Amino acid sequence: NAGVTQTPKFQVLKTGQSMTLQCAQDMNHEYMSWYRQDPGMGLRLIHYSVGAGITDQGEVPNGYNVSRSTTEDFPLRLLSAAPSQTSVYFCASSYDGPLDEQYFGPGTRLTVT
Amino acid sequence: GESVGLHLPTLSVQEGDNSIINCAYSNSASDYFIWYKQESGKGPQFIIDIRSNMDKRQGQRVTVLLNKTVKHLSLQIAATQPGDSAVYFCAGFIGSARQLTFGSGTQLTVLP
Repeated sequence: NAGVTQTPKFQVLKTGQSMTLQCAQDMNHEYMSWYRQDPGMGLRLIHYSVGAGITDQGEVPNGYNVSRSTTEDFPLRLLSAAPSQTSVYFCASSYDGPLDEQYFGPGTRLTVT
Repeated sequence: GESVGLHLPTLSVQEGDNSIINCAYSNSASDYFIWYKQESGKGPQFIIDIRSNMDKRQGQRVTVLLNKTVKHLSLQIAATQPGDSAVYFCAGFIGSARQLTFGSGTQLTVLP
């Protein structure tokens, strides 16, 4: 199993540009989530999904959209990038939910200029 | 508001010594806690978890202690090794929000 994969590893955007961060898992996990990690801070939940077709907002959802058309994929879309969205983004998945062991991807480092 | 935090941003220990990393939380309704390890350039990795109906849980070289009276938990690493150098996060599950809240992390450095 590849586990949780994320692409790209690094990305630089200009303010106002849009892009999609990709996340995929091959463990047949129902629960997937996106976090952002800022320097000196813990992870903050952006959006999560408890299964295909079901998504919900986390702690910091503004400026981000998600969809879950398949069990495997959970892309995160930045609609109009802002410098405040400069961060490292982690995708995670677990079999059953946030109380189940979550497996994290390697992260995407995003810089918005 | 609800929060989960860590006491010290950095901790240095000698190789072979035991490490103790502390974490405090504010919401007495938190019923589940997890410790994660994050090595440089990687995503967090699950270490050990504990539910609020327990005071202590042991894993391989790690022990988590939960003191609900003072809303404090700690991660103890026995015989700390160079490979233990990483940032350690505690995370608490806040039932009303149905999501994990992460602390800010402690950077553990193992000295030779």
